[in-house]
Amino acid sequence: GAGVSQSPSNKVTEKGKDVELRCDPISGHTALYWYRQSLGQGLEFLIYFQGNSAPDKSGLPSDRFSAERTGGSVSTLTIQRTQQEDSAVYLCASMGGAGANVLTFGAGSRLTVL
Amino acid sequence: DAKTTQPTSMDCAEGRAANLPCNHSTISGNEYVYWYRQIHSQGPQYIIHGLKNNETNEMASLIITEDRKSSTLILPHATLRDTAVYYCIVLQRNSNSGYALNFGKGTSLLVTP
Repeated sequence: GAGVSQSPSNKVTEKGKDVELRCDPISGHTALYWYRQSLGQGLEFLIYFQGNSAPDKSGLPSDRFSAERTGGSVSTLTIQRTQQEDSAVYLCASMGGAGANVLTFGAGSRLTVL
Repeated sequence: DAKTTQPTSMDCAEGRAANLPCNHSTISGNEYVYWYRQIHSQGPQYIIHGLKNNETNEMASLIITEDRKSSTLILPHATLRDTAVYYCIVLQRNSNSGYALNFGKGTSLLVTP
């Protein structure tokens, strides 16, 4: 597609439930990033995928968070046993190909844990 | 650890130039300076990037000091729609290794009428 697509755009869930957030990057982009942004805060790096290399998971806040990227394209961020502090906007970005490394962000998935 | 430092907030009058500073004193020779901005409730948007020469595009100008330890993003004629959080980051241009891009908290620019 022309841009980075994320779904769902909004998700409300109950504490303790699992959620999955999806990111469809720009076709051909080899790098994919997940960030979290809590209300009024900056972007918090979560995880980074680059091609077939092992992902950089150094930003994941706990073992309840995991992400995978299938076939080098679509990525899913999974949060297990959600807590209220997980409420945030989860942003996905991709970059790659020829030319400058320009990160292109999706519109984000807003997660609210009740 | 964002590798860059920016003022928390700035104000600018509409129609005036907005000059947003960024310090990146530990930048290495192959790292570029990138600027993004985030308008409320949207994903960050790329503005401009540079290595050592000053750059200009339709959105902004980027001035990088000779020692590359700091830079300034210039919005020549700020409008109310430029009110946003502006992020300065450093990035290797052709990074194929794991590279955690840390954005920090950016500068919140308020353009006033």
